[in-house]
Amino acid sequence: DSGVTQTPKHLITATGQRVTLRCSPRSGDLSVYWYQQSLDQGLQFLIQYYNGEERAKGNILERFSAQQFPDLHSELNLSSLELGDSALYFCASSRSGTGQVGDTQYFGPGTRLTVL
Amino acid sequence: DAKTTQPNSMESNEEEPVHLPCNHSTISGTDYIHWYRQLPSQGPEYVIHGLTSNVNNRMASLAIAEDRKSSTLILHRATLRDAAVYYCILTSYNTDKLIFGTGTRLQVFP
Repeated sequence: DSGVTQTPKHLITATGQRVTLRCSPRSGDLSVYWYQQSLDQGLQFLIQYYNGEERAKGNILERFSAQQFPDLHSELNLSSLELGDSALYFCASSRSGTGQVGDTQYFGPGTRLTVL
Repeated sequence: DAKTTQPNSMESNEEEPVHLPCNHSTISGTDYIHWYRQLPSQGPEYVIHGLTSNVNNRMASLAIAEDRKSSTLILHRATLRDAAVYYCILTSYNTDKLIFGTGTRLQVFP
């Protein structure tokens, strides 16, 4: 158990809908990261938040947005869903995440999203 | 983001040592070298990381070349549970985001 929790475990929805994925980091971790894993694209970095502020952005679509709340949990919002958004979405957390000490990331179990 | 190159797949027998290579010829002075692995149906899992010196932990050892352009992850005695995809990743100044490549799929035979 990494200490990172993600809800829900599974989500099935229809094209055009909007969903919210939730992540609670390990106690004391300030950074939260979101990754997408699909069969054709592999593991892709989406976005990082550090202490409530966006720190780094990857290949995140404009239809997707994220935020980190004062209690440090994070939500990833996916809207106007398409079939191609079906994937595993992982959240990870690290103590810092500023790049200065090569922080370790701890991954949650993932949310499997299926868009029908 | 500096890139890494790894073999697509490797095989090992149980109880034998495994050396997983990684090339990162464009590494910069402040880049850390990380190894993560992903077991089937699980999220990625941290294995080890280092900057310049070789590192050991309970899971593995990391040998870093003197010029830092390559590194090797060493599993001292492979077990069936070590069958996974191993990713070698560099993290840069200002962020610890992980840019995953295709990794090396390690098969371990009994």
